[in-house]
Amino acid sequence: EIVMTQSPATLSVSPGERATLSCRASESISTKLAWYQQKPGQAPRLLIYAASTRAVGIPARFSGSGAGTEFTLTIRSVQSEDFAVYYCQQHNNWPYSFGQGTKLDIK
Amino acid sequence: EVQLVESGGGLVRPGGSLRLSCLGSGFNRNWVHWVRQAPGKGPVWVSHISPDGSLTSYADFVKGRFTVSRDNAQTTVYLQLNSLRADDTALYYCARDHSTSAFNPYNWFGPWGQGTQVTVSS
Repeated sequence: EIVMTQSPATLSVSPGERATLSCRASESISTKLAWYQQKPGQAPRLLIYAASTRAVGIPARFSGSGAGTEFTLTIRSVQSEDFAVYYCQQHNNWPYSFGQGTKLDIK
Repeated sequence: EVQLVESGGGLVRPGGSLRLSCLGSGFNRNWVHWVRQAPGKGPVWVSHISPDGSLTSYADFVKGRFTVSRDNAQTTVYLQLNSLRADDTALYYCARDHSTSAFNPYNWFGPWGQGTQVTVSS
C-alpha cells in the first residue's frame, strides 16, 4: 500500500497570507493526486485532482503542483473560510490511500 | 447537481450486521465509492462499484465481510456490513467518481454524502 505523508500537521497563518501544504507518497504516483478540504461536521470536499486540476467551483486561489512523490497545495491569500483540515489522496494504485491531514488554522 | 444521502447506520454488537444505503441523484452512470472516517482520523477508502454493478473492489481489511451492490432503478448503492468489529466504528460516506467508463474509475471522489455513523460496541 502506498503511504501518504502530509506536513506540517498544523499550519498557522494569518488571513491574506499564503499557505503551502505538502504531501509525499511512499512511491511514485505520477500526477495521480487529489486534495480535499474538510470543515468540522462536514464531509470532505474535492479541491484538486490529477495533481493540478481544480474541481468545478473551486476558487483560483487554490492551486496544486507536483509529480512523482512530492506534491504541494498552495492557497494564495488565505480567506477566513479556508481554515479547515486538508487531505491528500493518491488515485494511482489500489487501495486509494489518504494522508493524515494538515490542519490550517488562524495565527 | 449530484446529491448523495446515506442512511442505515447505527449501534451494533461485535459480529453483527448492517446495510448502508446511498441514495443518489444523477449518478447512475458513475462509479460510486464508500469511504470511512474514524473520529480524528483521515478518510480510508473501503470499496467501489462500477456503473452497471458488475465490477467491485474492496480494501483488504473488509474483504469477505462487506459487499457493495447497486440498484440503478432505485438510484441507490448499498454496502452490506457483516461480521462487524470494534475497529469498523466510523462515519461511512458514499462518494461519486467522475468516471462513466464501464471498466475504469478515476478514483478521486466528489461530491460526498453527509455520512452515516456506524458504531460497533458491546
